[in-house]
Amino acid sequence: GQQLNQSPQSMFIQEGEDVSMNCTSSSIFNTWLWYKQDPGEGPVLLIALYKAGELTSNGRLTAQFGITRKDSFLNISASIPSDVGIYFCAGHGGSQGNLIFGKGTKLSVKP
Amino acid sequence: DAGVTQSPTHLIKTRGQQVTLRCSPKSGHDTVSWYQQALGQGPQFIFQYYEEEERQRGNFPDRFSGHQFPNYSSELNVNALLLGDSALYLCASSLGQTSRYQETQYFGPGTRLLVL
Repeated sequence: GQQLNQSPQSMFIQEGEDVSMNCTSSSIFNTWLWYKQDPGEGPVLLIALYKAGELTSNGRLTAQFGITRKDSFLNISASIPSDVGIYFCAGHGGSQGNLIFGKGTKLSVKP
Repeated sequence: DAGVTQSPTHLIKTRGQQVTLRCSPKSGHDTVSWYQQALGQGPQFIFQYYEEEERQRGNFPDRFSGHQFPNYSSELNVNALLLGDSALYLCASSLGQTSRYQETQYFGPGTRLLVL
């Protein structure tokens, strides 16, 4: 199935460092969503973006909806051990009911 | 506020058997989507139900079928199980078509299916 290009695939960082990850697509999306998934659990919604250029924060997390509507990024500031997990971006085209997911960015944090 | 719930949490079946997975949407939501997530991959869309009808379907064979009940809960049925059907099956709920936020989907914890 169709997937977004999400990078990096994995990151191993020191506690306190900032993190940045992004997603790109060949298709235009009307909505971008960022989820975090822990092992054996379902994805948990972190941030939802509904308009091109929109910049939204949720605590230490900040995400932006790209102007071209084909990309989005997620930043995590001052990472902590509980940030460990897999982060997924997902796009929605509007006319269809399904979300298109990236392959995920696996984040590991060293105390 | 109850979130999305799924049952069972884990299931082991053998090839050729049939399985039914269940989902209750988040309170106030009327649309249910099902996804399959293989190990190390992002979720792949199976289908979506709204007003008790299948509204959209992904690239999955007819062995995968579903149903939505008047209370908005949903079932996913898989017939003639194959080894490759082993995966985490996720249910997601959202608001209906008239909502600006219809694309915002909230996921349940998933059902881990193992086919032997």
